[in-house]
Amino acid sequence: EDQVTQSPEALRLQEGESSSLNCSYTVSGLRGLFWYRQDPGKGPEFLFTLYSAGEEKEKERLKATLTKKESFLHITAPKPEDSATYLCAVQAGGGSTLGRLYFGRGTQLTVWP
Amino acid sequence: GAGVSQSPSNKVTEKGKDVELRCDPISGHTALYWYRQSLGQGLEFLIYFQGNSAPDKSGLPSDRFSAERTGGSVSTLTIQRTQQEDSAVYLCASSRQGAKLFFGSGTQLSVL
Repeated sequence: EDQVTQSPEALRLQEGESSSLNCSYTVSGLRGLFWYRQDPGKGPEFLFTLYSAGEEKEKERLKATLTKKESFLHITAPKPEDSATYLCAVQAGGGSTLGRLYFGRGTQLTVWP
Repeated sequence: GAGVSQSPSNKVTEKGKDVELRCDPISGHTALYWYRQSLGQGLEFLIYFQGNSAPDKSGLPSDRFSAERTGGSVSTLTIQRTQQEDSAVYLCASSRQGAKLFFGSGTQLSVL
């Protein structure tokens, strides 16, 4: 069965303290790995898509990387406005519905001044 | 519209009543998804529509749940005889085929 596991469940950082979030996955033929950000009371907001091992993408203070078994979301010098829940999702191949995403439970990030 | 629109944003209902949740996707997006998010849980896939193809209903938790998409645009998720365990945020998303999903803000459903 396709599975996505995120760790840690919650992370508290001081402003400027860099860290990484982990997403490990087991899927039948990875089509893509997605990172989303979700603020309270809102739907997830797209951040990145990674398609193959070794791929990296960056956006402001965020950098996503992908290996054959996991993905990391690195946060460099975070600010309080980076506080949110970060969701990882995978799109599987094989018989899975094209486009269907399997989500992890997320990492709740809090950045305090 | 500019984004995915869902209504109502909040719905409180009594156990045993039927509810309808509406989703208006981004114009031109052929794919539409419904997900459910319960407190402390990940997003749970419910149903997927792609163009004129038969929907993938494999995620619907029981026969009390149904969904339709009219004219390839607006979708309605219906829950009959609601139960307390149906309480959750129901999220709708749309996309161009196989591409990244854009989510609405969701409907918070509370069953008393």
